[in-house]
Amino acid sequence: DQQVKQNSPSLSVQEGRISILNCDYTNSMFDYFLWYKKYPAEGPTFLISISSIKDKNEDGRFTVFLNKSAKHLSLHIVPSQPGDSAVYFCAASAQVGNEKLTFGTGTRLTIIP
Amino acid sequence: GAVVSQHPSWVICKSGTSVKIECRSLDFQATTMFWYRQFPKQSLMLMATSNEGSKATYEQGVEKDKFLINHASLTLSTLTVTSAHPEDSSFYICSARERGGHTYEQYFGPGTRLTVT
Repeated sequence: DQQVKQNSPSLSVQEGRISILNCDYTNSMFDYFLWYKKYPAEGPTFLISISSIKDKNEDGRFTVFLNKSAKHLSLHIVPSQPGDSAVYFCAASAQVGNEKLTFGTGTRLTIIP
Repeated sequence: GAVVSQHPSWVICKSGTSVKIECRSLDFQATTMFWYRQFPKQSLMLMATSNEGSKATYEQGVEKDKFLINHASLTLSTLTVTSAHPEDSSFYICSARERGGHTYEQYFGPGTRLTVT
């Protein structure tokens, strides 16, 4: 049972344009969401997170939006840069103190110069 | 800061042998370490959570006698795949949570590619 889903396995975006990566979840107990970036043969690196009490969190070029009623979150990258090409995973956690992260299947983002 | 290393980065072993993978937090103390495995084009699946000095907590469906986890110090956790079989071939990734750090922050190692022939 995939509780966190990223339905787009891949996405190509022109350099300088906006990249939008989507993530859906089914577990209503999830209350904290994270986005990770992963290069081949490397571990994921943390990008940005959002608590369920917020609907938006911004950090530089990265903004995460959370729509709790739709159980949907998205990561916006603007402007997109070639170095953003990687696999992006969204992850979710349920309840404060629960350290477990449930990951989505990932979206491979390719930035076209 | 917050660097996690894994050794080896890749390993090939014969079916029936055991393989040990090390996970180290290089510049911080990790009270909790996590072990994940990732199959090609699939998600990272949590295998177990280990706390320093105590037994690991395994996720449902993960054989604790097959995947032995030891977290003997605040900077080192090991995963031993015992009597490995080809279906154990996968990418194994560890992560660590810093002592006193945010509950959700995990720093990931670069992963270990295990191939069982």
